Amino acid sequence: DAKTTQPPSMDCAEGRAANLPCNHSTISGNEYVYWYRQIHSQGPQYIIHGLKNNETNEMASLIITEDRKSSTLILPHATLRDTAVYYCIVRVNSGGSNYKLTFGKGTLLTVNP
Amino acid sequence: GAVVSQHPSRVICKSGTSVKIECRSLDFQATTMFWYRQFPKQSLMLMATSNEGSKATYEQGVEKDKFLINHASLTLSTLTVTSAHPEDSSFYICSAYTATAGNTIYFGEGSWLTVV
Repeated sequence: DAKTTQPPSMDCAEGRAANLPCNHSTISGNEYVYWYRQIHSQGPQYIIHGLKNNETNEMASLIITEDRKSSTLILPHATLRDTAVYYCIVRVNSGGSNYKLTFGKGTLLTVNP
Repeated sequence: GAVVSQHPSRVICKSGTSVKIECRSLDFQATTMFWYRQFPKQSLMLMATSNEGSKATYEQGVEKDKFLINHASLTLSTLTVTSAHPEDSSFYICSAYTATAGNTIYFGEGSWLTVV
């Protein structure tokens, strides 16, 4: 799987949008971009994923650049509960065992009151 | 999203004993499950991949005889830490793959193991 680069930490004010960047310049054409987050002492929580089109769900929006070499996860109205480590992962989307996710260090997002 | 449950959430065991952690997919059938280990302030490290009815595939450096993984059904995988040592104390997390819901992988809540 392609490697990703994320800033180690970010801060955001409560109620404001949190924009978390991720670089994946070596992504292959068949690799998706996945975002997970991990709140302290819990298992990772799935947020969103996409291939090339922008995606939105009830939790967040995912913006993928046209060349697919980077993406941004947007939490539109951050709350204190959104404080967590956010992981950007790229992987292929087929093949059973190939689904394994390789985690980097992620971005620690701290939402401040 | 789909639900993956782990049990126990916390366990303390004595050195030299074995401890089993269960991972269940509650509302879907998981053909593939993954086991991770996470030390404090570090990222998740994949230990092994298990497919229902076949032997697990271990990542490099993970002792298969120490970390026994069984995936006997489409809803249950177990990780047994044998002859536990204090350095095995860690947060163990499982995840399960489902072909539904966009081929997404869902994670359990994690299990804290403390070996004393």
